[in-house]
Amino acid sequence: SYVLTQPSSVSAAPGQTARIPCGGNYIGTNSVHWYQQKPGQAPLLVVYDDSDRPSGIPERFSGSNSGNTATLTITRVEAGDEADYYCQVWDRSSDQYVFGTGTKVTVL
Amino acid sequence: EVQLVESGGGLVQPGGSLRLSCAASGFTFSSHWMHWVRQVPGKGLVWVSRINSDGSTTTYPDSVEGRFTISRDNAKNTLHLQMNSLRVDDTAVYFCARGDPRPPSFYFDYWGRGTLVTVSS
Repeated sequence: SYVLTQPSSVSAAPGQTARIPCGGNYIGTNSVHWYQQKPGQAPLLVVYDDSDRPSGIPERFSGSNSGNTATLTITRVEAGDEADYYCQVWDRSSDQYVFGTGTKVTVL
Repeated sequence: EVQLVESGGGLVQPGGSLRLSCAASGFTFSSHWMHWVRQVPGKGLVWVSRINSDGSTTTYPDSVEGRFTISRDNAKNTLHLQMNSLRVDDTAVYFCARGDPRPPSFYFDYWGRGTLVTVSS
């Protein structure tokens, strides 16, 4: 089955940039989607189709995808961005939905 | 405003059954494929089922295939998950999620707050 690998944690100071990688075999050939989840809350879609943002998501959240790595970038990090972040793809070969292992973002 | 509200969670013994429901509002329920996703507390997200817009096609991962059944009632804007032969490792928060508008839905654009299922003797 398809595997998506994320670092367990990433940290950034307020105002700096946080980058969260999501590794998968030829992930650049898939559309990647990203979710933010704060403690006790439901996941929130923050980026879809590699780099598009749903209505209401700040422009500080952006995504890219190429080769074997997709990346969620959070610029001008704020305290409110502290959360777990998950990447996700639909694996067309198996018709299954796969989530990454999740990354905890800490704002220093 | 899109709302998804799960119910039906609780404590059940191994081998038992439980039926979860998800009440949808704020959108045309019958137009969207729907999903269930679960999360063991403190762990990651795992997709557990999908149903197409008219309820005629369902898909599951191997981990729940044959034990779980997803269904929907478009007249009542309600999604269900029938869980049989429950195991301790089915313990998790179960989220109802709306699929994006393009079949077979590539991502989940709205989520409910989840309902906790605990399988324990």
